[in-house]
Amino acid sequence: EVQLLESGGVLVQPGGSLRLSCAASGFTFSSYAMGWVRQAPGKGLEWVSDISGSGGKTYYADSVKGRFTISRDNSKNTLYLQMNSLRAEDTAVYYCAREGGSQSYGHFDYWGQGTLVTVSS
Amino acid sequence: DAVMTQSPLSLPVTLGQPASISCTSSQSLVFSDGNTYLNWFQQRPGQSPRRLIHKVSNRDSGVPDRFSGSGSGTDFTLKISRVEAEDVGVYYCMQGTHWPLTFGQGTRLEIK
Repeated sequence: EVQLLESGGVLVQPGGSLRLSCAASGFTFSSYAMGWVRQAPGKGLEWVSDISGSGGKTYYADSVKGRFTISRDNSKNTLYLQMNSLRAEDTAVYYCAREGGSQSYGHFDYWGQGTLVTVSS
Repeated sequence: DAVMTQSPLSLPVTLGQPASISCTSSQSLVFSDGNTYLNWFQQRPGQSPRRLIHKVSNRDSGVPDRFSGSGSGTDFTLKISRVEAEDVGVYYCMQGTHWPLTFGQGTRLEIK
């Protein structure tokens, strides 16, 4: 059974940093690209970032480019999102989701339960 | 960016009646490999999103056959043949053809 478990969401001050993790199980992690999608309170879904199965290719939404870094450790079956220079508008539930293959994007067939990041002073 | 526009944004439906949600893209969603990467997701209250339909019309495993997807190019539709109570939630279309990946605003389905 595919499982994705996010962690790391907390209350952080504007300008601060945070690293989210997503532990994957139930599939061959390195064979799938992975992504992060966020949802601000009461709002819709917004794609944040994707990474290829090897980790060699990364993609970002303009709203986070230069501030967020996606990475993965295939030996640990874990996806990460390093979030720097956080702003109030980054407040959201962050979901990790599985893509369709190593370099196959825009699928999101499995989702985690999400982790809440709150940026506030 | 491929802007995804859904309508209606609110959809009150009587139990047992059909429902239909439209999704229009500002760009053709046909990819260079010939596939059209248009997905539909359901988000029930308090839950994570769940994919229902991929590549326009392919139902995911475990999705009831009362859900169907159709369309081509820039215009797509999700239909529910007979709405049940468990279908309450927000429905999103999402395109996976162009970077950045983009979602529709969401359509909130409620029971009348």
